Amino acid sequence: QKEVEQDPGPLSVPEGAIVSLNCTYSNSAFQYFMWYRQYSRKGPELLMYTYSSGNKEDGRFTAQVDKSSKYISLFIRDSQPSDSATYLCDGSSNTGKLIFGQGTTLQVKP
Amino acid sequence: NAGVTQTPKFQVLKTGQSMTLQCAQDMNHNSMYWYRQDPGMGLRLIYYSASEGTTDKGEVPNGYNVSRLNKREFSLRLESAAPSQTSVYFCASSDAATQYFGPGTRLLVL
Repeated sequence: QKEVEQDPGPLSVPEGAIVSLNCTYSNSAFQYFMWYRQYSRKGPELLMYTYSSGNKEDGRFTAQVDKSSKYISLFIRDSQPSDSATYLCDGSSNTGKLIFGQGTTLQVKP
Repeated sequence: NAGVTQTPKFQVLKTGQSMTLQCAQDMNHNSMYWYRQDPGMGLRLIYYSASEGTTDKGEVPNGYNVSRLNKREFSLRLESAAPSQTSVYFCASSDAATQYFGPGTRLLVL
């Protein structure tokens, strides 16, 4: 079992929809959780970063961590075609090594 | 401020050939990483370097070697390329838990 599991999709939604992307993890030592966005033929870029449990909001994006169930979520409100990309979740303990999920491909149709 | 740069952008090798992928960062980060990304597999860590002069194996180190030449540069070497090493290779550097990725090197081994 991979330490971080993510449904690869693809996920296709109409413009304006609320998108929910999810990951589960198995390592109880993880304290840092991140979401990266990767456009086609580009490197991943950091989108959201949370420490321990709780929610974090940034514009249309909300990251949520539930350490009791080892569940990580990213919500995108009012989704736009420009949000079409692959979204990677990852977890990290204090070692600094990040463990990535497989990535979920999202397509937002106009 | 270029961030993380990688060369070359694209390379074709024949089985058995060797090559070195170059990576440099100008953000004064201590930690640097090499990943490979394959369809359905997400990002897998090959090697990482927590600081200048140190390197450690990641999830998939076989067939690769690395050199942390100085704080800025971290190279990845394939001594005898195999078709299974056809992939997209990403270098990253980090401060604490946030990683910054380069644009990637697409490698095709025939």
